[in-house]
Amino acid sequence: ELKVEQNPLFLSMQEGKNYTIYCNYSTTSDRLYWYRQDPGKSLESLFVLLSNGAVKQEGRLMASLDTKARLSTLHITAAVHDLSATYFCAVKTTSGTYKYIFGTGTRLKVLA
Amino acid sequence: KAGVTQTPRYLIKTRGQQVTLSCSPISGHRSVSWYQQTPGQGLQFLFEYFSETQRNKGNFPGRFSGRQFSNSRSEMNVSTLELGDSALYLCASSFENSYEQYFGPGTRLTVT
Repeated sequence: ELKVEQNPLFLSMQEGKNYTIYCNYSTTSDRLYWYRQDPGKSLESLFVLLSNGAVKQEGRLMASLDTKARLSTLHITAAVHDLSATYFCAVKTTSGTYKYIFGTGTRLKVLA
Repeated sequence: KAGVTQTPRYLIKTRGQQVTLSCSPISGHRSVSWYQQTPGQGLQFLFEYFSETQRNKGNFPGRFSGRQFSNSRSEMNVSTLELGDSALYLCASSFENSYEQYFGPGTRLTVT
């Protein structure tokens, strides 16, 4: 079964702390996406990772990809309240019919 | 540059009716994808169009269909609506040979 699993599902953290969200996927893929969604809003693209070992950083967020382990991480450095949102990872499969599969999402709450 | 637009933004329909949703991509983008988001099933891929051709399709029944016009605008249609079709429907566009997807604000469909 094609699966994309994220953990944790919920994350409550203090401002200034660091944390990592994990995304495991079970299928072959040629790209991995990270998105942010605020309540009641659409998806905002954060990163697209294309190759093994890819690392991208934007502000306090850094994403990495290990295609051999089929694992991506989204690392949050010195969290601030504005980062509170739900974060999704997604892959585009390359086996069989190509399709996009999303993780369940990680609801992040940063406490002041 | 204008972003992805979706119309209507909100829609209430009765079970058994049909509905058509519209998506206008960013100017110059020829790829449009559609997604369904529900609290229970999360984000699920519906289909992807490129240059008026459906390239990929998710696991949805035949009641869900779509098309793309020569100006890259896309529509999706759901026939014989069911209560479970209540969801936020998102479309995303991307530039040819680009991996990044830009999402529209979504259409919130409620089926009563």
